[in-house]
Amino acid sequence: KQEVTQIPAALSVPEGENLVLNCSFTDSAIYNLQWFRQDPGKGLTSLLLIQSSQREQTSGRLNASLDKSSGRSTLYIAASQPGDSATYLCAVTSGSRLTFGEGTQLTVNP
Amino acid sequence: GAGVSQSPSNKVTEKGKDVELRCDPISGHTALYWYRQSLGQGLEFLIYFQGNSAPDKSGLPSDRFSAERTGGSVSTLTIQRTQQEDSAVYLCASSPGAGVHNEQFFGPGTRLTVL
Repeated sequence: KQEVTQIPAALSVPEGENLVLNCSFTDSAIYNLQWFRQDPGKGLTSLLLIQSSQREQTSGRLNASLDKSSGRSTLYIAASQPGDSATYLCAVTSGSRLTFGEGTQLTVNP
Repeated sequence: GAGVSQSPSNKVTEKGKDVELRCDPISGHTALYWYRQSLGQGLEFLIYFQGNSAPDKSGLPSDRFSAERTGGSVSTLTIQRTQQEDSAVYLCASSPGAGVHNEQFFGPGTRLTVL
């Protein structure tokens, strides 16, 4: 059974800092990995999708890497802003479903 | 507004009642998924529809839960004889292609409260 773990559970940083969120998964037989953000009371917004054959994806200030063999992914956020405050979820696709981590709650302080 | 939409946004019901939750996927998306997010827990998969294929129901927690997808578009998740532990946010997602490589796009969710 696939299990996804995210570290840390919560993170508070001052505005402008670069930061890294970590995700690990137990079964490397995945099709892809997605990073989402979730704002309080809202649905999920897809940030980045990395196919199993890829090593990284970039979008603006976000960069996600994937090391499938070791079962790890990182989400790098550059020059963090208060608007980045949200819960960040990592999810892997194996079979027909996404398996989610518990999320990292990020707070960026002005 | 071409995103995934869900209705109602909030639903409060009494224990033992039946509820129906609706999902309108992005037009042209062939795959549709239901997930549940309970308080203090992560998101869990419920059911997956792909085109005209038989759905993957392996995530449904009990036989009180069922879902259908009409005409390859709109989907309804039905919970019969609701229990307090059914209280959660129910999220629907859709993806464009037939393969599992496709990105999933989520709706805003329906918050279900069972009193």
